[in-house]
Amino acid sequence: AQSVTQLDSHVSVSEGTPVLLRCNYSSSYSPSLFWYVQHPNKGLQLLLKYTSAATLVKGINGFEAEFKKSETSFHLTKPSAHMSDAAEYFCVVKAGNTGKLIFGQGTTLQVKP
Amino acid sequence: DAGVIQSPRHEVTEMGQEVTLRCKPISGHDYLFWYRQTMMRGLELLIYFNNNVPIDDSGMPEDRFSAKMPNASFSTLKIQPSEPRDSAVYFCASSPGTAGMGNQPQHFGDGTRLSIL
Repeated sequence: AQSVTQLDSHVSVSEGTPVLLRCNYSSSYSPSLFWYVQHPNKGLQLLLKYTSAATLVKGINGFEAEFKKSETSFHLTKPSAHMSDAAEYFCVVKAGNTGKLIFGQGTTLQVKP
Repeated sequence: DAGVIQSPRHEVTEMGQEVTLRCKPISGHDYLFWYRQTMMRGLELLIYFNNNVPIDDSGMPEDRFSAKMPNASFSTLKIQPSEPRDSAVYFCASSPGTAGMGNQPQHFGDGTRLSIL
């Protein structure tokens, strides 16, 4: 069975410094992995997706994530945080060939001026 | 392009009343999902449809919850009777894809914030 674990429930960074949001996954075969962002009172927006074409995935707003099979990780990074990046971030794995997405518990990113 | 459209954005009602949440998926999307989000339980998949047919409703919490998709452009989630513990944000999402889903991401609406007093 697939699952994801987001290792930090809350991350705080200063504006202009790098962002690292950590995610480990569990899957019995090559997974489809996603990062979504949720701003207050909004729905979830897709940041990026991994589908085995390339291990380094670039997404919107300067975010990227690297798939590391040996570490079963899919961490989200950004070189320089902006105030507008403050939001909830979800690491997500697709459950096989079904329609289901399995969500991590979310990481709240706080960006300080 | 219009995204997934949900209505109402906010709903406040008294316990025991019927609540109907509405969703218009993105045109051409074959899959439609209903989620519930709470602080305690995070995001939970309630039910999803493929080509208007319910595929998996194992996440529907009780018989008080029902969902329909009468056509490709409309779905409802109904709670009858409603209870205070149903208070949550309910999201609808849609996704393109053929059988097996492929790797298509889901597109989410902005949600309905439901409060049952």
